[in-house]
Amino acid sequence: DGGITQSPKYLFRKEGQNVTLSCEQNLNHDAMYWYRQDPGQGLRLIYYSQIVNDFQKGDIAEGYSVSREKKESFPLTVTSAQKNPTAFYLCASSIGPGRAYNEQFFGPGTRLTVL
Amino acid sequence: GNSVTQMEGPVTLSEEAFLTINCTYTATGYPSLFWYVQYPGEGLQLLLKATKADDKGSNKGFEATYRKETTSFHLEKGSVQVSDSAVYFCALTTGNQFYFGTGTSLTVIP
Repeated sequence: DGGITQSPKYLFRKEGQNVTLSCEQNLNHDAMYWYRQDPGQGLRLIYYSQIVNDFQKGDIAEGYSVSREKKESFPLTVTSAQKNPTAFYLCASSIGPGRAYNEQFFGPGTRLTVL
Repeated sequence: GNSVTQMEGPVTLSEEAFLTINCTYTATGYPSLFWYVQYPGEGLQLLLKATKADDKGSNKGFEATYRKETTSFHLEKGSVQVSDSAVYFCALTTGNQFYFGTGTSLTVIP
């Protein structure tokens, strides 16, 4: 089955630690995205990548970092500089910019809790 | 700039009631429009989409029509079920980024 996987589903972090959230897709999509969702709120864009080895900051990139070394993988690192990292993190992919039927497909999410 | 405004919730309906969730947008160019649904603790799933003016997207009894003249994409369903309880997001893309509304929580009671 084609789709997007995120791991782990639940993640606990101590203050001052960096953690990395995994996102893998086998849809052969060029573009990948990371969003943050807080309770009762919409999605806020952290980073996005339209092609391998390239990525752009979204609206709330401070305290986060990403890499895009492979087309199918787009890991997100939540660093100790992120002041309030407890949230639900969603990864998404789409076929690529400027393409017809360019909808986003979402993974199941990772819930990060800082202890 | 690009943005999506959708009806604030929460919305509570009885089973078999008619549902409307309003969505209006601002966009440069010619956006594609989407409705996504999110069940508790899960990611977003595409519910329906429309790629040009006057297109009607439909799925699982839900419908929405792309109205360019009113810049709207309202979600409707004629008879909701308890299983429709979820959060619904309106979204648009003009090719590069995606823009989401803040979501509308729907609870359907038996």
